Amino acid sequence: GESVGLHLPTLSVQEGDNSIINCAYSNSASDYFIWYKQESGKGPQFIIDIRSNMDKRQGQRVTVLLNKTVKHLSLQIAATQPGDSAVYFCAERPRTSGTYKYIFGTGTRLKVLA
Amino acid sequence: DTAVSQTPKYLVTQMGNDKSIKCEQNLGHDTMYWYKQDSKKFLKIMFSYNNKELIINETVPNRFSPKSPDKAHLNLHINSLELGDSAVYFCASSHSGLISNEQFFGPGTRLTVL
Repeated sequence: GESVGLHLPTLSVQEGDNSIINCAYSNSASDYFIWYKQESGKGPQFIIDIRSNMDKRQGQRVTVLLNKTVKHLSLQIAATQPGDSAVYFCAERPRTSGTYKYIFGTGTRLKVLA
Repeated sequence: DTAVSQTPKYLVTQMGNDKSIKCEQNLGHDTMYWYKQDSKKFLKIMFSYNNKELIINETVPNRFSPKSPDKAHLNLHINSLELGDSAVYFCASSHSGLISNEQFFGPGTRLTVL
């Protein structure tokens, strides 16, 4: 759904710890999900994706978990590094929209503490 | 070898003026998008074009008029600019028809209306 006047949630983690960023999506008909990373002054950048017929997908240092029952996504970052500091967005693609429309979550700012 | 490029990067203008933002992608994608990101980082789709045809128009005021002269370009023209138009505008592109169609974002254009 659409964010209305919310401050950006912030997650602070110590360097080397694991990070877990959560996202609640809105449409039970969504069939594809993406996590994006947005660094200051840049556009969002693809991190990892997952289709609705999966509940877990792993990449390099990142894992995405999908719980369709409660419409919840999470992004796990292992051994968080200073370069991971950014705003992270989940995006869902409603099946009815074809391949053309993504709905973005409100975003979470990740701060990595040295 | 920039994948998705936008010009200008910064745009400062007075209320009531008309301005354009240009976007080009060299990825061979057939679908392009415009997103608006507000001061709270909320990212919302405005338009989507597939093969130069408008697919999605998310109730954007008709002061905003996208134009796609070819599949590699999607420009955004804004008439009678208002204070509320101040935001960062992102262009993106993807390849439709794939199960997973990652969107590639441009660097953004920060529009400030005075």
